[in-house]
Amino acid sequence: AQKITQTQPGMFVQEKEAVTLDCTYDTSDQSYGLFWYKQPSSGEMIFLIYQGSYDEQNATEGRYSLNFQKARKSANLVISASQLGDSAMYFCAPRGQGGSEKLVFGKGTKLTVNP
Amino acid sequence: EPEVTQTPSHQVTQMGQEVILRCVPISNHLYFYWYRQILGQKVEFLVSFYNNEISEKSEIFDDQFSVERPDGSNFTLKIRSTKLEDSAMYFCASSEMGGGSSGEQFFGPGTRLTVL
Repeated sequence: AQKITQTQPGMFVQEKEAVTLDCTYDTSDQSYGLFWYKQPSSGEMIFLIYQGSYDEQNATEGRYSLNFQKARKSANLVISASQLGDSAMYFCAPRGQGGSEKLVFGKGTKLTVNP
Repeated sequence: EPEVTQTPSHQVTQMGQEVILRCVPISNHLYFYWYRQILGQKVEFLVSFYNNEISEKSEIFDDQFSVERPDGSNFTLKIRSTKLEDSAMYFCASSEMGGGSSGEQFFGPGTRLTVL
């Protein structure tokens, strides 16, 4: 089975500081996409950012950016200027291998933003 | 802004009973998915659906499960004979484009299924 590793079960950050959430994955595909989702305590899954493996630039979306290192199969999410509303679970999810439709989720990192 | 909706938000059922979870995907989307999340665990893929047929399914999606798009707007997941281990949050998702694209999957708010 495809393995997605999020090594930080829990992270704490002070409001207004930046935080990096780690994600490594395995895939045999040369071309693939990777997504990050946020899950607040209310339970819904919110799409944050997408990175294509052949994109020349690291993806950015407002306060979210990806530190994408294809050779290391690593796609860390950077949240700048953390806000209290950023407290949530964060999931890294590449697409399944072989052009699969599915997203394969990691176990997630619980981020707590302290005032 | 268009969104995926799911009903009911919470379903309680007795073991062995059939349940149908309902979803209305975003109207111009062509790809539909069901995922589940057992409490405290990661989100797991169940099935994808395109062009009125299953395009991919996981090992979890056995003969107890079925999906249907009965009309132009609804997408349903049926569990024929529920087991205790089926208790989970079930998420419906839809996307405009399928695998190999950047099309993100938009998730509904989920249905929490509790099997007693």
